[in-house]
Amino acid sequence: KQEVTQIPAALSVPEGENLVLNCSFTDSAIYNLQWFRQDPGKGLTSLLLIQSSQREQTSGRLNASLDKSSGRSTLYIAASQPGDSATYLCAVRPRETSGSRLTFGEGTQLTVNP
Amino acid sequence: GAGVSQSPRYKVAKRGQDVALRCDPISGHVSLFWYQQALGQGPEFLTYFQNEAQLDKSGLPSDRFFAERPEGSVSTLKIQRTQQEDSAVYLCASSRNDRGLSNEKLFFGSGTQLSVL
Repeated sequence: KQEVTQIPAALSVPEGENLVLNCSFTDSAIYNLQWFRQDPGKGLTSLLLIQSSQREQTSGRLNASLDKSSGRSTLYIAASQPGDSATYLCAVRPRETSGSRLTFGEGTQLTVNP
Repeated sequence: GAGVSQSPRYKVAKRGQDVALRCDPISGHVSLFWYQQALGQGPEFLTYFQNEAQLDKSGLPSDRFFAERPEGSVSTLKIQRTQQEDSAVYLCASSRNDRGLSNEKLFFGSGTQLSVL
């Protein structure tokens, strides 16, 4: 059974810092990996999607990397802003099923202090 | 619509009561998913529809949980004889693609927060 772990569970940084969020998964047979953002009382917003054949994806100040063989992904946030405060979730889609279920980590709660 | 819409936003139920949660996916989206998110946890998969067909219901925790999407658009998640452990946020998501293996992003609703007393 696929298990997804995110470290740290919570992170508090001053505005302007660069930071890295970590995600690891136990089964490397994945189809893709996504990073989501969740604001309190809100649904999830997809930030970046990395296909299994890719190594990284970038969007603005966000960069996500994928090392499938070692079962790891990182989300790098440059020049953090208070508006980046949210919970960040990573999720993997398995290769062996024909469905589209995602397995999520428990998330990293990020606070960026002004 | 502009996004995935879920109702009600909040639901308080007495233990043993039946509840029905509604999801309006983005217009034209073929795939629809239900997830359950307990406090402080990541979402857990419940079930998946492709149009009106329920292709995967392996995540439903018990036979008290039932989901339908009779016309391939709006979906309802029904929980019978609710119990305290059913308290969670129930998230609905949709995507345009109708293929099982898809690289398309999912669009999530804001969820229904269910509290069972």
